[in-house]
Amino acid sequence: EADIYQTPRYLVIGTGKKITLECSQTMGHDKMYWYQQDPGMELHLIHYSYGVNSTEKGDLSSESTVSRIRTEHFPLTLESARPSHTSQYLCASSRGVEKLFFGSGTQLSVL
Amino acid sequence: GESVGLHLPTLSVQEGDNSIINCAYSNSASDYFIWYKQESGKGPQFIIDIRSNMDKRQGQRVTVLLNKTVKHLSLQIAATQPGDSAVYFCAEKNDYKLSFGAGTTVTVRA
Repeated sequence: EADIYQTPRYLVIGTGKKITLECSQTMGHDKMYWYQQDPGMELHLIHYSYGVNSTEKGDLSSESTVSRIRTEHFPLTLESARPSHTSQYLCASSRGVEKLFFGSGTQLSVL
Repeated sequence: GESVGLHLPTLSVQEGDNSIINCAYSNSASDYFIWYKQESGKGPQFIIDIRSNMDKRQGQRVTVLLNKTVKHLSLQIAATQPGDSAVYFCAEKNDYKLSFGAGTTVTVRA
């Protein structure tokens, strides 16, 4: 079983609020990722990091930002949440660029 | 752009039968493919992977087949069980990242 944790599991928040989605892994993986997923739909890469102090934007444009100050921690922040941000956010990590281990996700609802 | 996709969005299977989930890809340069299973409310879980120098790989009750000629990937599940009900995604390694298809929802009938 993968040791990657996301909190919170569910978040309902009002428009304009600042939120941070947490993601931590205990596998010592250098590479970490954030994907956005609508129900039953494909996963879209929004951010990734190949190591500490390294972050890149993914294929899907996102208003969120990420940081990677420690190997095990890769939080995602939305400065001002909007209803269009309602989605599931999945964090993943990997040793190489192939087999990713996913967390359970954060289901975000912005009212 | 190049993408990975699945032929059918849903698949209904009788318990005990074999399931075949299909995936077409368009990037002939892709050298690695992977299947994930996602149960309701959970993150995707690794099932099996295959490199482009192989055309078949078997796991426990699962087999992945790769046909590079027609750029087709399939996942076969033997003796499908109720616990196999989930959304299945294929992905290909593209530009050092994984690109995912839209997923097939498998429902197992008792």
